[in-house]
Amino acid sequence: EVQLVQSGAEVKKPGESLKISCKGSGYRFTSYWIGWVRQMPGKGLEWMGIIYPGDSDTRYSPSFQGQVTISGDKSISTVHLQWSSLKASDTAIYYCARRGFTAAGVGYYYYMDVWGKGTTVTVSS
Amino acid sequence: EIVLTQTPGTLSLSPGERATLSCRASQSVSSSYLAWYQQKPGQAPRLLIYGASSRATGIPDRFSGSGSGTDFTLSISRLEPEDFAVYYCQQCDNSLTWTFGQGTKVEIK
Repeated sequence: EVQLVQSGAEVKKPGESLKISCKGSGYRFTSYWIGWVRQMPGKGLEWMGIIYPGDSDTRYSPSFQGQVTISGDKSISTVHLQWSSLKASDTAIYYCARRGFTAAGVGYYYYMDVWGKGTTVTVSS
Repeated sequence: EIVLTQTPGTLSLSPGERATLSCRASQSVSSSYLAWYQQKPGQAPRLLIYGASSRATGIPDRFSGSGSGTDFTLSISRLEPEDFAVYYCQQCDNSLTWTFGQGTKVEIK
């Protein structure tokens, strides 16, 4: 079964650092981009960035560039999302998701086909 | 960055009715790169439609997508009780700077 398993919920104080993880299984981990998505309480989905575990090529949404760091360790089929100094506004659910693709005549269709269950991060003093 | 605007924000309908959800892009998006997701409370999003009109594996045929350029539509032909949820469009182009619409909530009238 293809799946992404995310690390457990975290409760942190403002200013603390944090690294959450997303582990892939059931497929060739190094061949698919993995993205991160934020969902603040009661709000919509926000695209944060994406990493290719095969060579750690990483892209960020302009809104999140410099705010978080996305990294990967292909030896353990895991990608990470980390903060160096959390703020209360980082309180959210964070999802990882695989970029799937399907041949489309010329080129490919892209989409997020496999999602983790989410990691809830609560930042409060 | 491409901005996606979904309308309406909330759609109040009864089971059995047809739902039509709109997603408008701030600039042209290849139909190959437009996807739709469903999210229910407490759950991760689920892929419904990719390539603007192709149903993902296991998605019932009451869900359909259409559109091109800057205007895309998700239709649900006859709402089932399990279809009441929030729906998001997403553009997934080659730049890898993807964006979501703000979502449309389909609620029971």
